[in-house]
Amino acid sequence: AQKITQTQPGMFVQEKEAVTLDCTYDTSDQSYGLFWYKQPSSGEMIFLIYQGSYDEQNATEGRYSLNFQKARKSANLVISASQLGDSAMYFCAMSSDSNYQLIWGAGTKLIIKP
Amino acid sequence: EAQVTQNPRYLITVTGKKLTVTCSQNMNHEYMSWYRQDPGLGLRQIYYSMNVEVTDKGDVPEGYKVSRKEKRNFPLILESPSPNQTSLYFCASSLGLAGALVGTDTQYFGPGTRLTVL
Repeated sequence: AQKITQTQPGMFVQEKEAVTLDCTYDTSDQSYGLFWYKQPSSGEMIFLIYQGSYDEQNATEGRYSLNFQKARKSANLVISASQLGDSAMYFCAMSSDSNYQLIWGAGTKLIIKP
Repeated sequence: EAQVTQNPRYLITVTGKKLTVTCSQNMNHEYMSWYRQDPGLGLRQIYYSMNVEVTDKGDVPEGYKVSRKEKRNFPLILESPSPNQTSLYFCASSLGLAGALVGTDTQYFGPGTRLTVL
């Protein structure tokens, strides 16, 4: 069965430090996509970054990068130089050839300390 | 501006009173989806639609109906709401199906509808 695991329910990080949010996935499909979304306290779901399974380079979007390790089936989100506005819930999700749905992780609550 | 809109944003209702939450997207996306989000349970898919007149059940479809008569609209209908349907609801759309052409299945979300059923 396909599954996304986020092992960190919550994290505290000092402002300006880099932070890594963990995500591991399980699928037997060869073609799949991995997503990260941010949900601030206001509730909206904001798309951050995408990595395709055949992409050879790690995806980057501004301060966000995705550390994709295919053999280990991990897709960790790295936020460089964290800011107070990064405090939010972060969700990892996966799509794949055999599934018309996104599979979601339980989320990690990130709190940035000033 | 490319967006997914939902209405209402907040709704308090009583058990058994039929309600509809509207969802509309202006990105010409083929794929639309409804989720509910509950504390500790993450996002769970209710229904999805691959195109006009094509809908299918997600993980938690009981108590909900949907329709897709036009490409841009995908309303969620609760015929007889119950307190266990109190939740935060999201509509989302994407260009393609989940798992389809790489990069086309990024889902964009509406702002959410916070529903309370008394």
